[in-house]
Amino acid sequence: TQLLEQSPQFLSIQEGENLTVYCNSSSVFSSLQWYRQEPGEGPVLLVTVVTGGEVKKLKRLTFQFGDARKDSSLHITAAQPGDTGLYLCAGEGTGGFKTIFGAGTRLFVKA
Amino acid sequence: EAGVTQFPSHSVIEKGQTVTLRCDPISGHDNLYWYRRVMGKEIKFLLHFVKESKQDESGMPNNRFLAERTGGTYSTLKVQPAELEDSGVYFCASSGTRNTEAFFGQGTRLTVV
Repeated sequence: TQLLEQSPQFLSIQEGENLTVYCNSSSVFSSLQWYRQEPGEGPVLLVTVVTGGEVKKLKRLTFQFGDARKDSSLHITAAQPGDTGLYLCAGEGTGGFKTIFGAGTRLFVKA
Repeated sequence: EAGVTQFPSHSVIEKGQTVTLRCDPISGHDNLYWYRRVMGKEIKFLLHFVKESKQDESGMPNNRFLAERTGGTYSTLKVQPAELEDSGVYFCASSGTRNTEAFFGQGTRLTVV
């Protein structure tokens, strides 16, 4: 069974600080997505990474896919209160179409 | 353009009753997915439709759950009879093709008491 472990589960930081969220697995994923979810809404896709070693940037967010396609990280530079939310990683397993989600990292950025 | 819509947004039912959740995907999206998040756990895949056909239903927990997508448009997920452990948030998502972005609905929060 493929699993995605996210860490930390909860993060509370001050505005302006940097942070990194990790998503790890012992399994290989053909692609990996990062979502952000706000209360009362469904997850919204931020980025998809496909190639091992790939790095994608979205303004202050930097996403990296591990060389072996088993892990990923999300780095936020100079966090702002608007970054507050639940961040989820999700992976497309190899050999199937089922999407597997991590449990999420709840981020709170204090002004 | 309307996004993925789910109805109802909340449902509270008694153990043993039946509940039907509805999902209207984005118009023209052939792929429709159901997911569930039980309290404290990760979002888990339930099943995947391509048009009206079930492509993968390996995530359906048991035979108390029945999903349909007649005509390949909206989908329903019926739970009959509901049990306490069925409580959670049920998400629907749709995508145009298999490898394009999936858009999620706001979810239906089901509480079985």
